[in-house]
Amino acid sequence: DAGVIQSPRHEVTEMGQEVTLRCKPISGHDYLFWYRQTMMRGLELLIYFNNNVPIDDSGMPEDRFSAKMPNASFSTLKIQPSEPRDSAVYFCASRGDGELFFGEGSRLTVL
Amino acid sequence: KNEVEQSPQNLTAQEGEFITINCSYSVGISALHWLQQHPGGGIVSLFMLSSGKKKHGRLIATINIQEKHSSLHITASHPRDSAVYICAVRSLKDNDMRFGAGTRLTVKP
Repeated sequence: DAGVIQSPRHEVTEMGQEVTLRCKPISGHDYLFWYRQTMMRGLELLIYFNNNVPIDDSGMPEDRFSAKMPNASFSTLKIQPSEPRDSAVYFCASRGDGELFFGEGSRLTVL
Repeated sequence: KNEVEQSPQNLTAQEGEFITINCSYSVGISALHWLQQHPGGGIVSLFMLSSGKKKHGRLIATINIQEKHSSLHITASHPRDSAVYICAVRSLKDNDMRFGAGTRLTVKP
């Protein structure tokens, strides 16, 4: 398996634009997590899914953020409209029977 | 107060030294993870623990559930061990993950 695949690896955009981050979890994993990492706040859990169903989105900062998992092999995290304070590295991770596997992350810069 | 506290925040060691990184948490947990983040940014899960001790190569992780404490040990440290080590716990209450702030380890040759 190629591991957890995220795209894009880097995104630079202007304030107000829509940003969509994508994640393909490891096949067979039933949990998918979206995290955000900043220098100030470290790693934060944004939302996680179990069997494609959102379980806890209390970490999502505000209504500008939304996440979907239309099927077991794909998830998106969308920010609309983006703001400079959204600049961070966004990680996706998946989990099967216990171990967490992380994607390489998507580095977002909002100018 | 953070629910997951790591110490030290920063650690510099000479190659070959024995390293210990500590993690204390205040919530009931179903599992504890030790993660490694290299300067390039990628994150790797080193260990998942719910009790006792695990060993993988030069890395050893222990957990004491009663004391709500875990340690990560690196024997015969090497410059390639230089990374940020993050302790993460899975809360029993809501199954959410809680993260420590990380320990930045630098091993000098």
